[in-house]
Amino acid sequence: AQSVTQLDSHVSVSEGTPVLLRCNYSSSYSPSLFWYVQHPNKGLQLLLKYTSAATLVKGINGFEAEFKKSETSFHLTKPSAHMSDAAEYFCVVREARNFGNEKLTFGTGTRLTIIP
Amino acid sequence: EAQVTQNPRYLITVTGKKLTVTCSQNMNHEYMSWYRQDPGLGLRQIYYSMNVEVTDKGDVPEGYKVSRKEKRNFPLILESPSPNQTSLYFCASSPRSGGTLNNEQFFGPGTRLTVL
Repeated sequence: AQSVTQLDSHVSVSEGTPVLLRCNYSSSYSPSLFWYVQHPNKGLQLLLKYTSAATLVKGINGFEAEFKKSETSFHLTKPSAHMSDAAEYFCVVREARNFGNEKLTFGTGTRLTIIP
Repeated sequence: EAQVTQNPRYLITVTGKKLTVTCSQNMNHEYMSWYRQDPGLGLRQIYYSMNVEVTDKGDVPEGYKVSRKEKRNFPLILESPSPNQTSLYFCASSPRSGGTLNNEQFFGPGTRLTVL
């Protein structure tokens, strides 16, 4: 069975400082991994995805994540936080199943607060 | 504009009163899915549909029904809502390519349901 653990439920950083949101996963198969962002009262927006190509994945708004198979991690980073980055972030693992089905398993989310 | 729409966005109802939350996508996606989001639990899949007239249970299907009579629509039906179904609901869709789901899921804006 696959699972996702987001190691921090809340992260606070000052504007202009680096952001690190941690995610560990477990999967029986070669997974695809995603980071989604949810701004207040909004739906989920894809930040970036890893699908067995390059292990360092660049996404929108300056975010990137590195897939480390040996550590089963997919941490999300950004060099310099902006006020607009304040939101909730979800790490997601996707596992292909029979008959073209897939299962998405969501982490419990990390709320990012940016301090002015 | 390519999008997933849900209606209503907010709903307060009483126990036992049947309700339907509609979901529609204009991207000609084959795969559609319903999730509920609860604090500390992340998103959990309720039902999904691989194509028209093809639906199956997700992780938390109890108390819900779905139908997929047209490709663009995937309504979620609560025949007899109960307070434990108070939650934030998201509909999502995804294209299929090469027989596998190798693409991101596009999420609707969410429906906040309160069952009294």
